[in-house]
Amino acid sequence: DAMVIQNPRYQVTQFGKPVTLSCSQTLNHNVMYWYQQKSSQAPKLLFHYYDKDFNNEADTPDNFQSRRPNTSFCFLDIRSPGLGDTAMYLCATSRVTGVYSPLHFGNGTRLTVT
Amino acid sequence: GQQVMQIPQYQHVQEGEDFTTYCNSSTTLSNIQWYKQRPGGHPVFLIQLVKSGEVKKQKRLTFQFGEAKKNSSLHITATQTTDVGTYFCAGPYSSGSARQLTFGSGTQLTVLP
Repeated sequence: DAMVIQNPRYQVTQFGKPVTLSCSQTLNHNVMYWYQQKSSQAPKLLFHYYDKDFNNEADTPDNFQSRRPNTSFCFLDIRSPGLGDTAMYLCATSRVTGVYSPLHFGNGTRLTVT
Repeated sequence: GQQVMQIPQYQHVQEGEDFTTYCNSSTTLSNIQWYKQRPGGHPVFLIQLVKSGEVKKQKRLTFQFGEAKKNSSLHITATQTTDVGTYFCAGPYSSGSARQLTFGSGTQLTVLP
């Protein structure tokens, strides 16, 4: 089945220690997104790639970076995690950019910063 | 940009009772999407509404888009324990030169057996 796969499912890192989360997709979608979801809150968009074109949200901290080496893979790098970065990180894809294309989410990576 | 406000934040119902969650915007929406997130899971797309006054049904779920395209609702008839989860609406907002979806705050549904 075509899907969005995130690894790892759970990640614990220490304060200030860089961490990388990965996402892959077999849907062949052009757009890949990273969302941050804190406990009992809505998913919050960090940035997205439309093909190789990177789009950062205005309020996404500089601490968060992303890479998309090819269509199938996308990475979220947190350079110096703080305690406030503890959250679920959700990768999503959509066939095209814009607001009409449904989002397909991966299972998420639950990150804990200690 | 604009935001979609969603109420209520929490809803507890007895199994078999109905449930409704509402999304409201201060400006006209081009479209609205609905997602369900099971506890410990990820959001799953349910439906998209585009037309003024549109009503769509999926079994016991009824989705409505207001005539003015400023509000939307999701109604579940005769809830079951499998309906447990958080229901999010998502509407468009302007982000720089592009438009993206922003999620409402969600309604967490608990169904008591």
